[in-house]
Amino acid sequence: DAGVIQSPRHEVTEMGQEVTLRCKPISGHNSLFWYRQTMMRGLELLIYFNNNVPIDDSGMPEDRFSAKMPNASFSTLKIQPSEPRDSAVYFCASSPRTNALGEQFFGPGTRLTVL
Amino acid sequence: GQQVMQIPQYQHVQEGEDFTTYCNSSTTLSNIQWYKQRPGGHPVFLIQLVKSGEVKKQKRLTFQFGEAKKNSSLHITATQTTDVGTYFCALEQGAQKLVFGQGTRLTINP
Repeated sequence: DAGVIQSPRHEVTEMGQEVTLRCKPISGHNSLFWYRQTMMRGLELLIYFNNNVPIDDSGMPEDRFSAKMPNASFSTLKIQPSEPRDSAVYFCASSPRTNALGEQFFGPGTRLTVL
Repeated sequence: GQQVMQIPQYQHVQEGEDFTTYCNSSTTLSNIQWYKQRPGGHPVFLIQLVKSGEVKKQKRLTFQFGEAKKNSSLHITATQTTDVGTYFCALEQGAQKLVFGQGTRLTINP
């Protein structure tokens, strides 16, 4: 079975450009999470969805960040405009459970570099 | 929110030596998870501990949850080069929200 799929795997862009990261969760999983990983701040939860509905976006750093989940098989994380401090690895994860903590399955990540 | 301290930050061992990483919280935890991330890879779930004093084993890995549910440890017996990576504990902060420790990066001299 395919795991969580993320695209692109690498993205290099210039400051001020819009960046869109994409995620396809594991089929049948009802929860989707977006994380950011940096050396300084470690692995941080940005936002998560249950059944396509955003539940908690308190980790989203600024209004420049937005996330959507239009259906059960697709989610996007958008940064507009991007800044050099947004450079990080962005992971998407999914979980089959919505009402309790369980195993989260991470995608391979998108390495974003903003010049 | 809940904070978690994970120590040590780095550990270098000779192949065959044991390795332990510790995770400490100032508050009582409902449960704790452990993940492993290989260099250049993504976090992979290892285990979830729920009960006070719980001990679980996965081959050479032993996971413990403290009696007071404020700390946890991961011990690897006789490390192998395949054990290289960063080990994270993660604790629950509200339903489904995970707060990750800073991780312990394990390197091994073959």
